[in-house]
Amino acid sequence: GDSVTQMEGPVTLSEEAFLTINCTYTATGYPSLFWYVQYPGEGLQLLLKATKADDKGSNKGFEATYRKETTSFHLEKGSVQVSDSAVYFCALGAMGTNAGKSTFGDGTTLTVKP
Amino acid sequence: ETGVTQSPTHLIKTRGQQVTLRCSSQSGHNTVSWYQQALGQGPQFIFQYYREEENGRGNFPPRFSGLQFPNYSSELNVNALELDDSALYLCASSLELAGNSEQFFGPGTRLTVL
Repeated sequence: GDSVTQMEGPVTLSEEAFLTINCTYTATGYPSLFWYVQYPGEGLQLLLKATKADDKGSNKGFEATYRKETTSFHLEKGSVQVSDSAVYFCALGAMGTNAGKSTFGDGTTLTVKP
Repeated sequence: ETGVTQSPTHLIKTRGQQVTLRCSSQSGHNTVSWYQQALGQGPQFIFQYYREEENGRGNFPPRFSGLQFPNYSSELNVNALELDDSALYLCASSLELAGNSEQFFGPGTRLTVL
């Protein structure tokens, strides 16, 4: 079945450091890929998405590229801020009869220190 | 445009009881999915409703059931509660029944089973 593997956390960085959170997936067909962010006490918010191979999703300085050949969708940001501290989830969207079902990784907790 | 809302925010039940959680989808969205998020883990897909019918189900027992109403709001019912049912329950709505359709998440209901 479909699965998502995320880089284990927690990740602690200083402000303005470079961020990479690794994500790889296993899926049949050509799923869409997503990064969600969850702030303390809140639900998930979509951060960015990519719907086909070589697409790059970007938002708020975060970027991720859909790499079909390596089945990866790594999240990057050039300069993190304290306000980026949150839990980040990589997810894939199923197709066909399971359309709408998303499979999530276990999340990576990011803490940014001033 | 109102977002996805869930009620109640928090709930405490005892083992063997039954619980009903409620979700109002974002305006115009006809698809609702429910997820269970245990502490420190990613959300796990429970089931999805599209136009009042269940469309896809994850690996959850039949004591997890749901409904979707004509206004697209939804309920999640859990019978015979077990300690392991303690989790954050997330509702997500989307406009289309498609794997690349963005899902909008509510803030969740925190269920504690004692």
